[in-house]
Amino acid sequence: GAGVSQSPSNKVTEKGKDVELRCDPISGHTALYWYRQSLGQGLEFLIYFQGNSAPDKSGLPSDRFSAERTGGSVSTLTIQRTQQEDSAVYLCASSSRGGGTYGYTFGSGTRLTVV
Amino acid sequence: GQQVMQIPQYQHVQEGEDFTTYCNSSTTLSNIQWYKQRPGGHPVFLIQLVKSGEVKKQKRLTFQFGEAKKNSSLHITATQTTDVGTYFCAARYGGATNKLIFGTGTLLAVQP
Repeated sequence: GAGVSQSPSNKVTEKGKDVELRCDPISGHTALYWYRQSLGQGLEFLIYFQGNSAPDKSGLPSDRFSAERTGGSVSTLTIQRTQQEDSAVYLCASSSRGGGTYGYTFGSGTRLTVV
Repeated sequence: GQQVMQIPQYQHVQEGEDFTTYCNSSTTLSNIQWYKQRPGGHPVFLIQLVKSGEVKKQKRLTFQFGEAKKNSSLHITATQTTDVGTYFCAARYGGATNKLIFGTGTLLAVQP
């Protein structure tokens, strides 16, 4: 696609429920990243994919968070048993290689609200 | 862990005034990128700096990378209302990971 697509754009969920956030990167981009941004804050790294593998998962806050990427394309971030502190905007970004030469292209994000 | 400090957190200027934001790391960086996030929007890539002492310009924006590759700055000359937003530096430390560590950001407000 022309840009990075994320869905849903907004998600309100009850505490304790599971949620799935989807990211569709730019076609041909091999590197994919998930970040989250709390209100008025900076970007917190969650996980990095190169192809279908995840060389760096160091930012996942707890074992309630997991992510996968299939076919070197679409990625899904799953949060189990959501907590109120999980409320944030979840941003996905892709780059054509490891990002060493190129910047990231971000999607518009999924705003997650846990009530 | 690796942290990137950015100052100031907030800057309010009159239209036409200059603006500078600074980014500092305690360890040497592989390279640094800059992003702009408009209110309600997502970060948009501006530029990447790789070489020690590198200076790049984009119209009214001037980006610098320090000689020791531990700091960087973004300077905007004669701000306009379209410059409003949060400016983030994003650092790469090299090694096996390609992740960017984002700075805390500087929110720029421009009064017409």
